[in-house]
Amino acid sequence: QLHLLESGPGLVHPSETLSLTCTVSGASINRNIYYWAWIRQPPGKGLEWIASIDYSGSTYYSPSLRGRVSSSVDTSTNQFFLKLESVTAADTAIYYCARDDFWSGYGFDIWGRGTMVTVSS
Amino acid sequence: DIQMTQSPSSLSASVGDRLTITCRASQDIRNDLSWYQHKPGQAPKRLIYAASSLQSGVPSRFNGSRSGTEFTLTVSSLQPEDFATYYCLQHNFSPWTFGQGTKVEVK
Repeated sequence: QLHLLESGPGLVHPSETLSLTCTVSGASINRNIYYWAWIRQPPGKGLEWIASIDYSGSTYYSPSLRGRVSSSVDTSTNQFFLKLESVTAADTAIYYCARDDFWSGYGFDIWGRGTMVTVSS
Repeated sequence: DIQMTQSPSSLSASVGDRLTITCRASQDIRNDLSWYQHKPGQAPKRLIYAASSLQSGVPSRFNGSRSGTEFTLTVSSLQPEDFATYYCLQHNFSPWTFGQGTKVEVK
């Protein structure tokens, strides 16, 4: 059974870089039929897609974060990563990773439970 | 970007009620629309994909439909475990965009 688990620091200082890891278990991410996504939810707000990446490193990013966001993948460890630079309080959110059923248009079928990230000095 | 207008933003309902939530896309997204249920402290759960296909393991009281650029999630008879926030997601053209969410509360 596929599981995704987010990990990262719970607290990041303003202007610093947020770095998150998603560890995938139960299946290899080294397959070309899925992308792997990051989604976030600020407190009291809705869901926002951030980025999607495939096993080869092909990426799509949200235009609202482009320039600050990057994603990468390590197929040897079955992990993918998110970096968000120059964070502000507006980046405080629960960050989720998910499997992106990219080519079919079916959305995100498997999600991690999320990790809370607070941006504060 | 494709805008997803979801309504209502919140509603109060009772167990046994029929629930209807609507998402309207700002342009044609074919059937590339999915619905999610989200409870506090839990991962969002996909209920419907391809506008009307029921996710495996999801009760049949959940139903999705499409009419042009308008998509509807219907719960035929609300159960206690269905009180949650629901989102639609368009996955036709990047950036993928969610509706604003519908919070379903106990009346």
